Amino acid sequence: QKEVEQDPGPLSVPEGAIVSLNCTYSNSAFQYFMWYRQYSRKGPELLMYTYSSGNKEDGRFTAQVDKSSKYISLFIRDSQPSDSATYLCAMSEIGGQAGTALIFGKGTTLSVSS
Amino acid sequence: DGGITQSPKYLFRKEGQNVTLSCEQNLNHDAMYWYRQDPGQGLRLIYYSQIVNDFQKGDIAEGYSVSREKKESFPLTVTSAQKNPTAFYLCASSIAGDEQFFGPGTRLTVL
Repeated sequence: QKEVEQDPGPLSVPEGAIVSLNCTYSNSAFQYFMWYRQYSRKGPELLMYTYSSGNKEDGRFTAQVDKSSKYISLFIRDSQPSDSATYLCAMSEIGGQAGTALIFGKGTTLSVSS
Repeated sequence: DGGITQSPKYLFRKEGQNVTLSCEQNLNHDAMYWYRQDPGQGLRLIYYSQIVNDFQKGDIAEGYSVSREKKESFPLTVTSAQKNPTAFYLCASSIAGDEQFFGPGTRLTVL
């Protein structure tokens, strides 16, 4: 079983829809969870960073972590065509230390049509 | 502007050649990383460095080498021993470990 599983999609939605992106993981030691957005042929950019279980909201984006189920989600409200990108989840066991290795999912490709 | 720069944007390599990818950051971050991304794959860690003159192998270090002589710079050499080097290479840096910030990437193609 791979450490981090992420449905590659593609996921196609109309503008204004609510999007749900998900990752599951097997390592119960993961404590730090991140979502990156990657446009085609560009480097990933950090969207959301959460520690342990709970929700975190930033504008149209909400990150949710359920450690008991080993499941994390990213919700995008009022999706826009500019949200069309690949979304990568990432996680790590140890926080606050330089040189921490992140484990990435394979990414979900999202397309929002106007 | 603070950030991470990678050069070149596109790189072509002939069979048997070594090539070096540049990564520079002016964020004053201690840690730097190299990842490889293949189509439909997640990011895989090649090497990382926590401080100057020190670096550790990641999951797929074979056929690659790095140096960290300056805090700002972490070049990656793809050697002829790397059997399948065609990929998108991403450099990242962090100050606290988890929040890694990425450069724009270098796309390497073997001719």
